[in-house]
Amino acid sequence: DVKVTQSSRYLVKRTGEKVFLECVQDMDHENMFWYRQDPGLGLRLIYFSYDVKMKEKGDIPEGYSVSREKKERFSLILESASTNQTSMYLCASSLLAGATNTGELFFGEGSRLTVL
Amino acid sequence: AQSVSQHNHHVILSEAASLELGCNYSYGGTVNLFWYVQYPGQHLQLLLKYFSGDPLVKGIKGFEAEFIKSKFSFNLRKPSVQWSDTAEYFCAVRGYSTLTFGKGTMLLVSP
Repeated sequence: DVKVTQSSRYLVKRTGEKVFLECVQDMDHENMFWYRQDPGLGLRLIYFSYDVKMKEKGDIPEGYSVSREKKERFSLILESASTNQTSMYLCASSLLAGATNTGELFFGEGSRLTVL
Repeated sequence: AQSVSQHNHHVILSEAASLELGCNYSYGGTVNLFWYVQYPGQHLQLLLKYFSGDPLVKGIKGFEAEFIKSKFSFNLRKPSVQWSDTAEYFCAVRGYSTLTFGKGTMLLVSP
């Protein structure tokens, strides 16, 4: 089974702090993703990566950055946390979608971040 | 751009009732379609997916969904729900690139 592990289940940070959320997958997937999940808004894509050192903006990248130095690890960085970034953050990975593969996502358990 | 619309934000059913959750998408090309489920306190997991072929797909725990291309729909169904089906359900579409999710439907099944 694919395992996607997020380093912290719960974090509490102060406004202006730098926040790192780490995600590791163990199935050699090419793609990795960061979403945020908010009640009534569903999942919104922040950033994704197709390969090491590659990154692409999703729908809501403002206030976030990412790093992918190794294939199995994808980090989400909040340079200066703000209260509107209080949310559940979900990491996911997938194979590259193609003719025989839907590229379904495998999710981690989430990191609930509260910014005070 | 691709988008997904889920018809209901909250659904309340009694055990043994039938379930249908609506999902419509907008994208003009070939799509892959998914339903994910998130049980309370658990991570999102795949319920079922449509890739190609038979438009009626069956998933885990007795769920099924039908892809109707002419209606841009992928509705989720279950003939008889159980209390353990209480969860949030997300429809998602992959068109040209990444998955786009709907806003979710919270299903509460009362015993």
